[in-house]
Amino acid sequence: AQSVTQLDSQVPVFEEAPVELRCNYSSSVSVYLFWYVQYPNQGLQLLLKYLSGSTLVKGINGFEAEFNKSQTSFHLRKPSVHISDTAEYFCAVSDRLGYGGSQGNLIFGKGTKLSVKP
Amino acid sequence: DSGVTQTPKHLITATGQRVTLRCSPRSGDLSVYWYQQSLDQGLQFLIQYYNGEERAKGNILERFSAQQFPDLHSELNLSSLELGDSALYFCASSVTGGEADTQYFGPGTRLTVL
Repeated sequence: AQSVTQLDSQVPVFEEAPVELRCNYSSSVSVYLFWYVQYPNQGLQLLLKYLSGSTLVKGINGFEAEFNKSQTSFHLRKPSVHISDTAEYFCAVSDRLGYGGSQGNLIFGKGTKLSVKP
Repeated sequence: DSGVTQTPKHLITATGQRVTLRCSPRSGDLSVYWYQQSLDQGLQFLIQYYNGEERAKGNILERFSAQQFPDLHSELNLSSLELGDSALYFCASSVTGGEADTQYFGPGTRLTVL
């Protein structure tokens, strides 16, 4: 079974500073990885996803993430954050089954609250 | 706006009661998922439907049930409610229900059990 660990529950950062939100996963099979963002009082919105190919994935709003198979990580980065990036960010993995079957649901990490200060 | 609609936005009820949450997927999406978000458990997958059929089951309690109708909207029924069922319930939809699909989330229904 897969699992996702987001190491930081809260990340405070000043506006225009770079930020990295960390995500590690555990899986015995190949993975599909996702980052979602949840703004206050809203549903989740996809930022980016890794399915295969290039390990550097670019998403919306200037975010990017790098898939690192050896370190089982999928960290999210942004070179310069804005106040509007204040939100909770969730890393997720597709629930793939060991025998080659799959389920379409996502397994989420606990989330990281990004707080951007002026 | 993701295109996924959920009603009601808020629901306040008492222990022991039964409620129904409703979800309309994006136009063209055949698969619907239900997730529960709570402070202690985080985001947990409950159940998935594809074109009217149950496809996958997660940590869904026996007191909870769901269905997807021919018009593809879905309902999540929660019965014999307990205080611990208070949470935000999200519906998501995707085109095929496959593992590579992007899931589009609705705004959620906040359930408060008193």
